[in-house]
Amino acid sequence: QKEVEQNSGPLSVPEGAIASLNCTYSDRGSQSFFWYRQYSGKSPELIMFIYSNGDKEDGRFTAQLNKASQYVSLLIRDSQPSDSATYLCAVNTNTNAGKSTFGDGTTLTVKP
Amino acid sequence: EPEVTQTPSHQVTQMGQEVILRCVPISNHLYFYWYRQILGQKVEFLVSFYNNEISEKSEIFDDQFSVERPDGSNFTLKIRSTKLEDSAMYFCASRRSSGRAITDTQYFGPGTRLTVL
Repeated sequence: QKEVEQNSGPLSVPEGAIASLNCTYSDRGSQSFFWYRQYSGKSPELIMFIYSNGDKEDGRFTAQLNKASQYVSLLIRDSQPSDSATYLCAVNTNTNAGKSTFGDGTTLTVKP
Repeated sequence: EPEVTQTPSHQVTQMGQEVILRCVPISNHLYFYWYRQILGQKVEFLVSFYNNEISEKSEIFDDQFSVERPDGSNFTLKIRSTKLEDSAMYFCASRRSSGRAITDTQYFGPGTRLTVL
């Protein structure tokens, strides 16, 4: 079983729609969860992080965390063509090293 | 806004040669990381570094790899004898406090693309 698993994609949505990205993780000791956006050839860009169960909203983005189900998701409302990118889910365990374990990513295409 | 910088942006080397990838973390950050991403694959953790020593390393980080903080600003990754499979993007990241501060986040540099011929 992969440590961090994302829906395989690619995901295609029309402009203005809601894009839903999902991630599950295997380590119950995981404490904080991150969503990054990555454009081809570029470094990961942090969109949101979440560490408490429930929803966290930031503009058009909503992160949802359910630790009992070991599940974290990202919703993008009113999707724009500029949202087209690969979205990476990353998980940190509560260790001093603070490393991140990444999923494979889900490629999102928003069609005008 | 402070940012992590990396040099060079692209490094081409011959198999068997040594390379040094350089990073300047954000100035008040204490924890430093190297990750790599082979083309089309996921971002993989290599090593974390704190207080002038390695705090954790992955299975990828074998004896061919080393890290160093030679002065107060630079953080380097050395690959002693490069292999074809070392070709990847290498990302440096830094964090202000430890991973136990769960609200703290890593900031990634722009990456160095390493091509081994």
